[in-house]
Amino acid sequence: EDQVTQSPEALRLQEGESSSLNCSYTVSGLRGLFWYRQDPGKGPEFLFTLYSAGEEKEKERLKATLTKKESFLHITAPKPEDSATYLCAVRELMNRDDKIIFGKGTRLHILP
Amino acid sequence: EPEVTQTPSHQVTQMGQEVILRCVPISNHLYFYWYRQILGQKVEFLVSFYNNEISEKSEIFDDQFSVERPDGSNFTLKIRSTKLEDSAMYFCASSGQGPPLHFGNGTRLTVT
Repeated sequence: EDQVTQSPEALRLQEGESSSLNCSYTVSGLRGLFWYRQDPGKGPEFLFTLYSAGEEKEKERLKATLTKKESFLHITAPKPEDSATYLCAVRELMNRDDKIIFGKGTRLHILP
Repeated sequence: EPEVTQTPSHQVTQMGQEVILRCVPISNHLYFYWYRQILGQKVEFLVSFYNNEISEKSEIFDDQFSVERPDGSNFTLKIRSTKLEDSAMYFCASSGQGPPLHFGNGTRLTVT
């Protein structure tokens, strides 16, 4: 059973058309939720960390929010350069250390 | 801005051969990780390393895999006898006192 589920799998938007990506998680005792951007052939690039319900973080056209069960990545007036795969990850406490678990991502394509 | 660097960017090897993937984490970071991403699939945790020992590992990280920090700057992943299913992008990541993780741009491993 996936502990991190992202939706939609893929999203095509016109330039300027705002939308939201969803990340729901089932780990108990969240110790951090992370959003990353991944371009083709590259490693994940860190965007945001959220720790508690109600927390919000913003960067340019992106805003991340967190509730007790899910997180949203809101994209306002996107541009073609925002096209990428957006990954959500959660921190799970293991036996001795934490593990960061990723969702499958949302492939976002912004049309000019 | 400091970054995680990985070499080589692409490695082709024959089934049964040993490969070593190399990483230089961000210099003052304390935690080191290897993840892999099979084409079209999600980023999967392999192993975490702290204070010169493995702190967590996944089911994927079996006896064919090993990690080492041979000096103060490098962090390596060795696969002793590669299989076709080991073909993937391998990402190294590091973090300071804790998350977020900062990723390199990966090594694409192709096993023929």
